[in-house]
Amino acid sequence: AQKITQTQPGMFVQEKEAVTLDCTYDTSDPSYGLFWYKQPSSGEMIFLIYQGSYDQQNATEGRYSLNFQKARKSANLVISASQLGDSAMYFCAMREDNRDDKIIFGKGTRLHILP
Amino acid sequence: DTAVSQTPKYLVTQMGNDKSIKCEQNLGHDTMYWYKQDSKKFLKIMFSYNNKELIINETVPNRFSPKSPDKAHLNLHINSLELGDSAVYFCASSQDSPGRETQYFGPGTRLLVL
Repeated sequence: AQKITQTQPGMFVQEKEAVTLDCTYDTSDPSYGLFWYKQPSSGEMIFLIYQGSYDQQNATEGRYSLNFQKARKSANLVISASQLGDSAMYFCAMREDNRDDKIIFGKGTRLHILP
Repeated sequence: DTAVSQTPKYLVTQMGNDKSIKCEQNLGHDTMYWYKQDSKKFLKIMFSYNNKELIINETVPNRFSPKSPDKAHLNLHINSLELGDSAVYFCASSQDSPGRETQYFGPGTRLLVL
């Protein structure tokens, strides 16, 4: 079974609209962390946001917020007021705290922001 | 003030050759990683080192050998390169302490085997 599932291979969104990128995960560990990374066309991997499994509040970093629904095992990324520069691949990832430092990545969602 | 650096950025080589990719981090992190990103953009971990000690060794051919001379460096040596080794290889590092343990990635090395 896949540990990290990103069901949207591609999305097109109008500039300035909010966008939600879906991510569901599968783990039996009680302690884990969830990450989102952005990979623009230049190829580098940029850390965006982190959510710990015991964090009481949803993580926010500027225009990025993580909609963490623990019971549903989902960790969707919300980008508010999208910008053309947000066009990129977005990867959801999970680190299970009882399994060394291994981070498992989803297959990614390619986001296109339209002017 | 580059945090995680990799060299070279691009590597084009013939099948059967041996090549190395170098990675250095100046973040003072204890743990370093190598990932492979295939043509479909799927990222998969290959190795992880903590304080120069191998922690994670996924199912990777023996032709791939990581070497960590000190905790700031993790190099990847590949013997007898094959066409299927063509990919982008990312180095990453994280602070090994309770907390966010965010991994910071290098810029990637684009390897093309001809």
